[in-house]
Amino acid sequence: SYDLTQPPSVSVSPGQTASITCSGDKLGDKYACWYQQKPGQSPVLVIYQNYKRPSGIPGRFSGSNSGNTATLTISGTQAMDEADYYCQAWDSSTASVVFGGGTKLTVL
Amino acid sequence: QVQLQESGPGLVKPSETLSLTCTVSGGSLSAYYWNWIRQPPGKGLEWIGYIFYSGTTTYNPSLKSRVTISVDTSKNQFSLRLKSVTAADTALYYCARLTTVTHGYFDDWGQGTLVTVSS
Repeated sequence: SYDLTQPPSVSVSPGQTASITCSGDKLGDKYACWYQQKPGQSPVLVIYQNYKRPSGIPGRFSGSNSGNTATLTISGTQAMDEADYYCQAWDSSTASVVFGGGTKLTVL
Repeated sequence: QVQLQESGPGLVKPSETLSLTCTVSGGSLSAYYWNWIRQPPGKGLEWIGYIFYSGTTTYNPSLKSRVTISVDTSKNQFSLRLKSVTAADTALYYCARLTTVTHGYFDDWGQGTLVTVSS
């Protein structure tokens, strides 16, 4: 099976840049997307097809994907960005959706 | 955007079958992939499977032997059946729309429904 690995937690100071990584074998050959999930809420798409932002998502959210790693970057992080973040990709070998384990972003 | 709403029993006994329905409003099921995703309390997201509006299904290999997803286009609904449940199947179950496979993404989610497996 195809695995996506994320760090369990990332901490950032308000106004600084947060980077959350997602690693998988040849992930750069696939399309990665990212979801934000706040407590008690459903996940929300923040980045799709590696770097595209849905309408309504602030410009401080950006994404990249190369080699074995996809990265979600939040520039000028705000307290409201504190949440769990999940990466997701498609595993063509099993025709399956795969999620990373999630990263808890703490803004302190 | 469409609205998705999960419904079904919140409590299921061990060894029995979990059954949930997702009602889609504000759009049709056509041309999209309709998914079930679950999240055990305090844990991450696990994809269960999807059904295309035409009825084609694909399931998570780890759950494939116990899962059936079906669609009723006349009611704009799709459903999940998970048989032989155990406590490990206790989770918040979401339905979600996937735009396409390979390069797709989940652009709409339901609010989720908590299912507890307990006698």
